[in-house]
Amino acid sequence: GAGVSQSPSNKVTEKGKDVELRCDPISGHTALYWYRQSLGQGLEFLIYFQGNSAPDKSGLPSDRFSAERTGGSVSTLTIQRTQQEDSAVYLCASSPGQGRTQYFGPGTRLLVL
Amino acid sequence: SQQGEEDPQALSIQEGENATMNCSYKTSINNLQWYRQNSGRGLVHLILIRSNEREKHSGRLRVTLDTSKKSSSLLITASRAADTASYFCATDERGNNRLAFGKGNQVVVIP
Repeated sequence: GAGVSQSPSNKVTEKGKDVELRCDPISGHTALYWYRQSLGQGLEFLIYFQGNSAPDKSGLPSDRFSAERTGGSVSTLTIQRTQQEDSAVYLCASSPGQGRTQYFGPGTRLLVL
Repeated sequence: SQQGEEDPQALSIQEGENATMNCSYKTSINNLQWYRQNSGRGLVHLILIRSNEREKHSGRLRVTLDTSKKSSSLLITASRAADTASYFCATDERGNNRLAFGKGNQVVVIP
């Protein structure tokens, strides 16, 4: 079946603009995660959705970052008033449940000029 | 949350040799997972080992887990050039909602 997809693959934006990143998880996966990875670094957890529970937003670096998951499926990560330090690869992953194997999308490479 | 940390950070080996990398963590875990990442894009799950397991095999991969030392090792046998990638360990920590990833281990296999 189809894996996790993300769009766009690459995004170049100007400082101060808002961006929206999209994630389509694997159908039926209840858990969805967003991570950020700066060049040559590990994964930084951003936010976690599990079913209809309130999301775990503890990893969001500032209030400029927000995410939603509509209908328990597609998720959108929004970054408002982008800064140059927001430049990174944003990875989405879905899982059948908490603590299970995570299946990653190809990521969105964001460059803020 | 505390993260797994891989050791060594970078490894360069000849094709056909074995590659071993280690991961340490600090908390109680439900399971530990290893992932591979090529070219800085999406990660691919390699293997999951539960806290009550000590060793697991998958093809040319062998993973061990020592919960008393809070450490795990990943062994890639008979390495190939295609094994060149970054390898991450991730712990499913008890009481947390998500996996805690280490910083990664860059492996280069020279043909």
